[in-house]
Amino acid sequence: KAGVTQTPRYLIKTRGQQVTLSCSPISGHRSVSWYQQTPGQGLQFLFEYFSETQRNKGNFPGRFSGRQFSNSRSEMNVSTLELGDSALYLCASSDRTGAYEQYFGPGTRLTVT
Amino acid sequence: TQLLEQSPQFLSIQEGENLTVYCNSSSVFSSLQWYRQEPGEGPVLLVTVVTGGEVKKLKRLTFQFGDARKDSSLHITAAQPGDTGLYLCAGESTSGTYKYIFGTGTRLKVLA
Repeated sequence: KAGVTQTPRYLIKTRGQQVTLSCSPISGHRSVSWYQQTPGQGLQFLFEYFSETQRNKGNFPGRFSGRQFSNSRSEMNVSTLELGDSALYLCASSDRTGAYEQYFGPGTRLTVT
Repeated sequence: TQLLEQSPQFLSIQEGENLTVYCNSSSVFSSLQWYRQEPGEGPVLLVTVVTGGEVKKLKRLTFQFGDARKDSSLHITAAQPGDTGLYLCAGESTSGTYKYIFGTGTRLKVLA
């Protein structure tokens, strides 16, 4: 099976702009989670989608939003970018059966200038 | 707030040495995973432990889940430079608003 893919891999934006990141999960996986990873804060959970519904949400401002499509692909949007949004954004998929194992994509490195 | 504390935070050792990384919490977990992440890439799943006291081996890596399912350890025997990376534990908690939590991470560097 193909792994989790994320596009784009690298992105440079300026403050105030918005950005949309895309994630394609492993075929058959219906759960997609998004994480923000920074050197100072580590891996922080953003939100999880399962069958097009947001199941869980982390402690991030409303500028961070997401959605999931019927084919399980997911997008994450960040509006009004701030310098502190510079991070590696990771997407993970899971089939949510049995132990909760997640399979990560390579991430999107977002730099806000 | 549920936390998974890992220790040590940083570890630099010589090739051939043994090491143990700890993952501790005050919460009970129904399962716990260990991941390894290399720079610029996403974490890669190494193992899942589910049963209290469970021990799993993956070549030179030995993983143990605590009897009370609140802690776990990762032991590496005869470390090699290829073991270098960020090791993360993560668990599915049995309580709280969000069930899946990542540890604080252990950055391992193995010198040749």
